[in-house]
Amino acid sequence: GAVVSQHPSWVICKSGTSVKIECRSLDFQATTMFWYRQFPKQSLMLMATSNEGSKATYEQGVEKDKFLINHASLTLSTLTVTSAHPEDSSFYICSASGQAQETQYFGPGTRLLVL
Amino acid sequence: EDQVTQSPEALRLQEGESSSLNCSYTVSGLRGLFWYRQDPGKGPEFLFTLYSAGEEKEKERLKATLTKKESFLHITAPKPEDSATYLCAVQTGTASKLTFGTGTRLQVTL
Repeated sequence: GAVVSQHPSWVICKSGTSVKIECRSLDFQATTMFWYRQFPKQSLMLMATSNEGSKATYEQGVEKDKFLINHASLTLSTLTVTSAHPEDSSFYICSASGQAQETQYFGPGTRLLVL
Repeated sequence: EDQVTQSPEALRLQEGESSSLNCSYTVSGLRGLFWYRQDPGKGPEFLFTLYSAGEEKEKERLKATLTKKESFLHITAPKPEDSATYLCAVQTGTASKLTFGTGTRLQVTL
């Protein structure tokens, strides 16, 4: 149980384009989803927390107009990187936790390369 | 501000050579301490949650313990497939978010 998927696993795009990443909880209802980014050989940095049906809460220093998060259902959250630039290239990972559980279960990650 | 420090940064063991990884934390109001395993290019895989000092949990060759200031992940007779980065994270106060340490990269050789 507690499986989280992400799509796509890899994406390459041109500078200035927008990229959408999907995060799905496959076998549980995720009341809260989280989005992280991870640079090589570094730990996970939380970007934002989203509760189903509410606006996301962004961490300090994360541009909410650049990283659009939608959590419209209990099984799906999306992260859209708008007007991507090479410095946005990173490994993006989502996690999900369900009602009355503290544990976050992570997706497999999406590697974004902006050319 | 919550702080989580993991040591060592990297650890190389021979197969069967037991050892421990350390996670020290400075937080206000610990709700839970989490251990994850992360393989290269993949998302973290949940291992354990510990809630109170004195608590211990085991899974195969891994055993996690918790005190008021730190947690240990003991690896008994490791195998090459235990090679990964081990991350610890804390959850505090009323927030559900996790604060991660920088991880310990473990390599187990034959």
